[in-house]
Amino acid sequence: DTAVSQTPKYLVTQMGNDKSIKCEQNLGHDTMYWYKQDSKKFLKIMFSYNNKELIINETVPNRFSPKSPDKAHLNLHINSLELGDSAVYFCASSPTGRGTEAFFGQGTRLTVV
Amino acid sequence: TQLLEQSPQFLSIQEGENLTVYCNSSSVFSSLQWYRQEPGEGPVLLVTVVTGGEVKKLKRLTFQFGDARKDSSLHITAAQPGDTGLYLCAGATGNTGKLIFGQGTTLQVKP
Repeated sequence: DTAVSQTPKYLVTQMGNDKSIKCEQNLGHDTMYWYKQDSKKFLKIMFSYNNKELIINETVPNRFSPKSPDKAHLNLHINSLELGDSAVYFCASSPTGRGTEAFFGQGTRLTVV
Repeated sequence: TQLLEQSPQFLSIQEGENLTVYCNSSSVFSSLQWYRQEPGEGPVLLVTVVTGGEVKKLKRLTFQFGDARKDSSLHITAAQPGDTGLYLCAGATGNTGKLIFGQGTTLQVKP
């Protein structure tokens, strides 16, 4: 009965490949996010969706494309992976998106070799 | 660009000691949250402070939001090894739910 679950937990892939990370939340929240945590543990928002609508799109290369088929799912597809994309990617959700608590998934550690 | 400066970045103390972590910004936030993250896991919310000057206590943890809503502190009394982890402050802006995170404080409490 995990609240925010993302798969896979670990992803090792070669440069140039395309990969996807899936996220699902069973909390009934309206807002979902993707965050990137770098090697220094710094967390930065990438995207936010509210009821399947994109509301935040930070300065992220357009190789990264989020997709929200419904408000319980937010997937992240990454094209032409680069070494610098190696990081931990966290999916999160919150009830209203107005500064309320964010519930985070366990993270996906992406390693590009 | 809104930034949250968190200090110290690393803290290694003995069990029983007290400590304070600071989170400072030149920007005003609608609320400020503190999270704790353990290795291999996502951050978990500890507390949200909303009102300037607000103080919240969670057992041995005391959180304070600055009067101007630009800074916050986390004070731990009599730290225990179970407090070991990465502590993150995060400021909420606007009504999009966007959180600006500090750089984090890695706390190690030695028995």
